[in-house]
Amino acid sequence: GENVEQHPSTLSVQEGDSAVIKCTYSDSASNYFPWYKQELGKRPQLIIDIRSNVGEKKDQRIAVTLNKTAKHFSLHITETQPEDSAVYFCAAGGTGGFKTIFGAGTRLFVKA
Amino acid sequence: NAGVMQNPRHLVRRRGQEARLRCSPMKGHSHVYWYRQLPEEGLKFMVYLQKENIIDESGMPKERFSAEFPKEGPSILRIQQVVRGDSAAYFCASSPAGAGNQPQHFGDGTRLSIL
Repeated sequence: GENVEQHPSTLSVQEGDSAVIKCTYSDSASNYFPWYKQELGKRPQLIIDIRSNVGEKKDQRIAVTLNKTAKHFSLHITETQPEDSAVYFCAAGGTGGFKTIFGAGTRLFVKA
Repeated sequence: NAGVMQNPRHLVRRRGQEARLRCSPMKGHSHVYWYRQLPEEGLKFMVYLQKENIIDESGMPKERFSAEFPKEGPSILRIQQVVRGDSAAYFCASSPAGAGNQPQHFGDGTRLSIL
């Protein structure tokens, strides 16, 4: 069945450093790749997404890259801040009623 | 424009009782998803519905769990004869038509505790 693997499960960085989270997906029909941020006790919130017709997308300190051949996509956060500390989920979805599959999450700690 | 509304936020039930969780999607959204999240774990897909139709329930346990999204009113996730293992946060998300490749917007979740 469909599967999304996410690494690392935990990531600790110093404030100001960059953080990279990587995901791989199994179903080649996937063409939509969102990333969600979930703070403790709160709802997951969409922070950025990318579609398969582009290889990279950037929004201020956040960027996502996609390699469809390798079925691999990554989240890059630059100049990390303590408020970036949260759990980040990647996901893969497709068209025509295909459900979205979430990765297991990465717990990011940004140390001040 | 109100977001996805879930209620109740917290629900306490004793073993053997029924739990009903409600989700009203964002205005204009006709696709609803239910996810289960255990502490320190990820979002596990349960069921995907459109108005009056269950599209994919492959993540839902075969017994005791059911979901609906009627023509009028919210989507309901129903758990019958609850057990301790049902304790979790249940999140609902909605998206506009063309689900699968559209952003899902999440509600605040219902924290279900089983005594």
